[in-house]
Amino acid sequence: SQQGEEDPQALSIQEGENATMNCSYKTSINNLQWYRQNSGRGLVHLILIRSNEREKHSGRLRVTLDTSKKSSSLLITASRAADTASYFCATDLRGGSQGNLIFGKGTKLSVKP
Amino acid sequence: EAEVAQSPRYKITEKSQAVAFWCDPISGHATLYWYRQILGQGPELLVQFQDESVVDDSQLPKDRFSAERLKGVDSTLKIQPAELGDSAMYLCASSRTRVSYNEQFFGPGTRLTVL
Repeated sequence: SQQGEEDPQALSIQEGENATMNCSYKTSINNLQWYRQNSGRGLVHLILIRSNEREKHSGRLRVTLDTSKKSSSLLITASRAADTASYFCATDLRGGSQGNLIFGKGTKLSVKP
Repeated sequence: EAEVAQSPRYKITEKSQAVAFWCDPISGHATLYWYRQILGQGPELLVQFQDESVVDDSQLPKDRFSAERLKGVDSTLKIQPAELGDSAMYLCASSRTRVSYNEQFFGPGTRLTVL
């Protein structure tokens, strides 16, 4: 079963604009990770935020976590055509099997040049 | 940069046939995962290994799927017999250890089509 739900399912923007994707989950977590998947390829880890953190930055990425609302957001600033991909949040459940990630269905981002 | 290797990249088979996928994780990574990803969905864990031992196979359909990692390095996932509903991308990932804050490194996947 999938515990994370990304929103929106699809997002289309122009190059240079910011893209925001949201993830909601159902049960308590140890951490939340975001992954990117280019069409038909494997996933690439982007960023991890622990349950006791509220915000984290990595380059053009900004992730927030609100454990009271069980939600996270991923912001990509100044988007580029190369950012076109699907983005997944993955949660590590508190009390779950250690190291197991549960992925959401993903947001498909299209950045037009 | 070290990568997770998978083969084959594509596999077409007929239902009721047997198929096998191979994965070679990043050297030194103790934990290996097999995921199944249906088109338009996120990956779903099938099995997790710590070294040569299975630590979680609760989502593996054991009547037809099997996985092994005999020497604690590379791994094989087998489906016998394949069914139409098995058409999906099969992803292998590895991480240094099982601790939850370790990122997982994914291979390119094997796309299986069952006719």
